[in-house]
Amino acid sequence: KQEVTQIPAALSVPEGENLVLNCSFTDSAIYNLQWFRQDPGKGLTSLLLIQSSQREQTSGRLNASLDKSSGRSTLYIAASQPGDSATYLCAVKRKIEMDTGRRALTFGSGTRLQVQP
Amino acid sequence: NAGVTQTPKFRVLKTGQSMTLLCAQDMNHEYMYWYRQDPGMGLRLIHYSVGEGTTAKGEVPDGYNVSRLKKQNFLLGLESAAPSQTSVYFCASSYARTDPISSPLHFGNGTRLTVT
Repeated sequence: KQEVTQIPAALSVPEGENLVLNCSFTDSAIYNLQWFRQDPGKGLTSLLLIQSSQREQTSGRLNASLDKSSGRSTLYIAASQPGDSATYLCAVKRKIEMDTGRRALTFGSGTRLQVQP
Repeated sequence: NAGVTQTPKFRVLKTGQSMTLLCAQDMNHEYMYWYRQDPGMGLRLIHYSVGEGTTAKGEVPDGYNVSRLKKQNFLLGLESAAPSQTSVYFCASSYARTDPISSPLHFGNGTRLTVT
């Protein structure tokens, strides 16, 4: 069974700081990994998707890396802004999900980020 | 382009009552999912569908039923609501045959359900 862990559960930083959010997973046989952002009372918005053959993906101030062998992914946010305040979730799609056709994701519990002005 | 739309946004039920949550997507996605989100537990898969007319159980299916009569709609039913079903419910969709490789998951804004 895949378990996805995100530490810390909450993080507060001053505006302008560079920060790293961590995600670890127990089953390294993954198909891809996805990072989401969730604002209070809203759904999840996909930020970055990394295929298992990739090492990293970048979008603007966001950079996500993937190390399958160690079961880890990091989301790097450069020059944080108050508008980055949200909960960030990582989710993995296991290879077996593709083999069985279910294609479902296993989610971590998220890191709640607060960027203070 | 609305993406994934869920109705209602909020609902309060009494124990034993029934209701149906509606999900609609306009991206021609094959796969649709229902998740529930509870504090400290992340999102857990309730049921899913790999195409029109098909449904299957996820991790926590007990107490729920689903139907996918049309490709764009996925309905989640609670026949006899229980307080343990108090949660935020999210519908998601993915996988268009035109873009099978990346197929990120797209979410609705959720339905907050309270069962008293």
